[in-house]
Amino acid sequence: DIVMTQSPGSLAVSLGERATINCKSSRSVLYTANNKDALAWYQQKPGQPPKLLIYWASTRDSGVPDRFSGSVSGTDFTLTISSLQAEDVAVYYCQQYYTGPWTFGQGTRVEIK
Amino acid sequence: EVQLLESGGGLVQPGGSLRLSCAASGFTFSNYPMSWVRQAPGKGLEWVSGIDSSGDDIHYADSVKGRFTISRDNSKNTLYLQMISLRAEDTALYYCAKHYYISGSFFWAYWGQGALVTVSS
Repeated sequence: DIVMTQSPGSLAVSLGERATINCKSSRSVLYTANNKDALAWYQQKPGQPPKLLIYWASTRDSGVPDRFSGSVSGTDFTLTISSLQAEDVAVYYCQQYYTGPWTFGQGTRVEIK
Repeated sequence: EVQLLESGGGLVQPGGSLRLSCAASGFTFSNYPMSWVRQAPGKGLEWVSGIDSSGDDIHYADSVKGRFTISRDNSKNTLYLQMISLRAEDTALYYCAKHYYISGSFFWAYWGQGALVTVSS
């Protein structure tokens, strides 16, 4: 199984500041067919289902604010919130969809400092 | 508007059975693969099972293989999860989720609100 390891477990960021969440896969999730990494990011607010933010490591889903961005370096993935807003308080998960079983990171809780 | 509405959750004793349903609307259900993803109370997300659009290609997490059965009725726009031999560790909120693409790619753009399954004596 591909293990997804997120860090930190939680972070507190001031409003308007940058938040950075890391996710490392235990092996490559690069699709050779399109040369893209099969990695998605989700946001989950309390009492709500997850919401897809980013797929193919860096493609924002429709309607997702452009303060959310994803990047990759090898098997290291990063979700960046460029200017944290109050509504961004949530738990964020990475997920690989390269191969089954399709696995998630353990989540990163983002709070306001 | 895509809507996924789970039902069938509840309290069941260890060793018992339960069947979850997910009624889908707002899209052509028969075109899309679907999955169940669960979340234990206060914990992270775990993919449970997935099924292709025709019902012919099915996958399970090792933790539920042999105990859970996923199926779909495209004439009723409904996804199912039959669960038997339930254990305390199956206690979770079970989400029905629509795959992003028509073909493959196990990630999900639409999720239901979840059905809570509690396994306890």
